[in-house]
Amino acid sequence: KNQVEQSPQSLIILEGKNCTLQCNYTVSPFSNLRWYKQDTGRGPVSLTIMTFSENTKSNGRYTATLDADTKQSSLHITASQLSDSASYICVVSAWGKIIFGKGTRLHILP
Amino acid sequence: IAGITQAPTSQILAAGRRMTLRCTQDMRHNAMYWYRQDLGLGLRLIHYSNTAGTTGKGEVPDGYSVSRANTDDFPLTLASAVPSQTSVYFCASSEGTGGTYEQYFGPGTRLTVT
Repeated sequence: KNQVEQSPQSLIILEGKNCTLQCNYTVSPFSNLRWYKQDTGRGPVSLTIMTFSENTKSNGRYTATLDADTKQSSLHITASQLSDSASYICVVSAWGKIIFGKGTRLHILP
Repeated sequence: IAGITQAPTSQILAAGRRMTLRCTQDMRHNAMYWYRQDLGLGLRLIHYSNTAGTTGKGEVPDGYSVSRANTDDFPLTLASAVPSQTSVYFCASSEGTGGTYEQYFGPGTRLTVT
């Protein structure tokens, strides 16, 4: 069964600290992996997309990595800011089917 | 440019009533989607439309119907609302189908069925 598992479910860090969110998937055949950011009360917004041949992609302070062999991805946030408080959703695509993870809720404390 | 708009923003609805959630996009995207988001369950696809005039069922279609009369509009109808349909509903659109195309999400409609 195609699945996308994210960890941790929630995370609390202090402003200025770094953090890493994890995404493991069993989707096959793999097409691409996308990370979305969802602010409270808003719809998700795409941060990065990676295909099979890409193992890292950056968007400002956000860096996503992909290991297609182990079927793992991570989203690293550098020098966190209060505005990074949000849910982060990992989405994997395969043969036109799009599978959403349940998300990681990140809280940044001042 | 508005992107995707949804209406209403929120609604409290009595069980058994009929309700239509509206979704409009101005990006001329071919594909549109309806999701519901529940705490602990993430986003789940209700219905989708690959192009105007066609629709398809997603993961949780029961109790919902959609239509796609034109490119811009994709309304979601609850024929007879039940409390389990209490959720936040997101409409999304993409230029094409499949994960290669980014989905652009609306602001959501918070629906409470009492």
